[in-house]
Amino acid sequence: KNEVEQSPQNLTAQEGEFITINCSYSVGISALHWLQQHPGGGIVSLFMLSSGKKKHGRLIATINIQEKHSSLHITASHPRDSAVYICAGANFGNEKLTFGTGTRLTIIP
Amino acid sequence: GAGVSQSPSNKVTEKGKDVELRCDPISGHTALYWYRQSLGQGLEFLIYFQGNSAPDKSGLPSDRFSAERTGGSVSTLTIQRTQQEDSAVYLCASSQKGLRGRDNEQFFGPGTRLTVL
Repeated sequence: KNEVEQSPQNLTAQEGEFITINCSYSVGISALHWLQQHPGGGIVSLFMLSSGKKKHGRLIATINIQEKHSSLHITASHPRDSAVYICAGANFGNEKLTFGTGTRLTIIP
Repeated sequence: GAGVSQSPSNKVTEKGKDVELRCDPISGHTALYWYRQSLGQGLEFLIYFQGNSAPDKSGLPSDRFSAERTGGSVSTLTIQRTQQEDSAVYLCASSQKGLRGRDNEQFFGPGTRLTVL
């Protein structure tokens, strides 16, 4: 059974701080997705990674295939970054997603 | 361009009634996924379509749940004899899947919030 574990569950930080959210996954996962969900809002795909590192604005995602671990970093965090961040593993073959429990991030001005 | 759309956005129904939820994927996307987000349960996979066929239905919680896809496009998720535990946000996602060299990023719809009274 594919499993995805995410930490921390909740994270509160001051504006401007560097944020790291971690995700570990089991075998059978071909790629790792990072998703963002604002309160009452829909889900937005931030990154899909199968190797290396990707960057988009202040967001950086990395993946270590050997260690089956991925991280999402936010530089110069801002209150508008407050949201739930979810990592999800894509199953080999059909790429259905197995989701982590999410990290609720709150950035205080 | 247009993203994934779902309808209705909200549905309130009485226990025992049947409901139909609709998903319009991004044009040209061959893969379509249904997920469910229940309060306190997180997100879970329901069913996967490749074209009109559903090779993976392993996430459907009971035989009251069924889904179909026609014309390689629109999909309908049907829940028969709804129960209170069916209350959740039902999300649809689509991806290009099958195009060589392309990441199979999934694009999510806004979801349908189902409340069973």
